[in-house]
Amino acid sequence: TAGITQAPTSQILAAGRSMTLRCTQDMRHNAMYWYRQDLGLGLRLIHYSNTAGTTGKGEVPDGYSVSRANTDDFPLTLASAVPSQTSVYFCASSDRPNTEAFFGQGTRLTVV
Amino acid sequence: RKEVEQDPGPFNVPEGATVAFNCTYSNSASQSFFWYRQDCRKEPKLLMSVYSSGNEDGRFTAQLNRASQYISLLIRDSKLSDSATYLCVVNMFGNYGQNFVFGPGTRLSVLP
Repeated sequence: TAGITQAPTSQILAAGRSMTLRCTQDMRHNAMYWYRQDLGLGLRLIHYSNTAGTTGKGEVPDGYSVSRANTDDFPLTLASAVPSQTSVYFCASSDRPNTEAFFGQGTRLTVV
Repeated sequence: RKEVEQDPGPFNVPEGATVAFNCTYSNSASQSFFWYRQDCRKEPKLLMSVYSSGNEDGRFTAQLNRASQYISLLIRDSKLSDSATYLCVVNMFGNYGQNFVFGPGTRLSVLP
């Protein structure tokens, strides 16, 4: 079982450019999440989606947008990247409320 | 005050030692609790869920005290392979809907 897959695994991006981080899950989970992880700050929620067709803002949503056109895919877009968006990005999904989250392998993004 | 707090460590212990990690959370309406393990530059992976009655999985024991809003993880007979960062995770309905809130993690190094 593939589980949850992110692409790319790493990327160097020029400031001002746009980029979409892809996330796909094959577990038919309702909820999906995007986190960023920075040294000393832990994982912080960027955006979430409780079910296909709905999205919500997390703790650090500025500069990011998401869509949830179907159950499987939850792409994260940076419209105009800035160096402070250099981070490791994790996509996650969960089946029902109160059940565990499963994570993708992460995307390491460097904005220069 | 952060929603989920942990001692960041590092904890440096010899092989065979017993080590305990603590975690506190601020939202009394939190509904489910987990310990995740994260290896360097990898995604977090579920170690165990935490139940009010306490639960054990081999060398690992987790406890939850809802009255004190406190979660613990005990690792007995530490192995070199236990070296990792341990994340305390709380699932709650808060400012960002129903989602997972992560502690900053406690780093464990098991030494030969």
